[in-house]
Amino acid sequence: GAGVSQSPSNKVTEKGKDVELRCDPISGHTALYWYRQSLGQGLEFLIYFQGNSAPDKSGLPSDRFSAERTGGSVSTLTIQRTQQEDSAVYLCASSPDTGELFFGEGSRLTVL
Amino acid sequence: AQSVTQPDIHITVSEGASLELRCNYSYGATPYLFWYVQSPGQGLQLLLKYFSGDTLVQGIKGFEAEFKRSQSSFNLRKPSVHWSDAAEYFCAVANTGGFKTIFGAGTRLFVKA
Repeated sequence: GAGVSQSPSNKVTEKGKDVELRCDPISGHTALYWYRQSLGQGLEFLIYFQGNSAPDKSGLPSDRFSAERTGGSVSTLTIQRTQQEDSAVYLCASSPDTGELFFGEGSRLTVL
Repeated sequence: AQSVTQPDIHITVSEGASLELRCNYSYGATPYLFWYVQSPGQGLQLLLKYFSGDTLVQGIKGFEAEFKRSQSSFNLRKPSVHWSDAAEYFCAVANTGGFKTIFGAGTRLFVKA
């Protein structure tokens, strides 16, 4: 009966390294979303999944960003060749298709 | 594509005073509208939502919001603010069906004694 789980909660990496952020949605939720929240900023939409498909990838900032979802459950957001401007909190949310989003605590990424 | 504007970056109110946070949206069809709250060090929590029907919706913690189609607005209100309401508030809009939810930039609420 757990909520949305994200890992790692904190990640410090060096510029140019690749990182993977994981999201475990609430069981049974068909929709899954990724957002990015930079310091003092709102939530920037990145991508959402319906099942394993991503109908809208328009929010991904560049081709260094990719995401996948397997088994209609776990999702991974991958950032290749990280840059300092990628530093932010990455939030995952899942939804049972009611429109209401249930958020995880986020993964804080710091790129040195 | 939908979009959301929250004109006020931050607002300060006295404890016990009334509150109104503004939200304007842009969407061609009937939107799904939401208000979320993010307290310091905590995740985002849904306050209330509007899908259809009565344009005045009640939420948790004594909050309410009114959908005004003619003004493309969905303002959040509370009659009497408590110190624990200090947080960041986000208005959000989803397309019909509730997919691809877009958030506003947020309004940070400060409550003074």
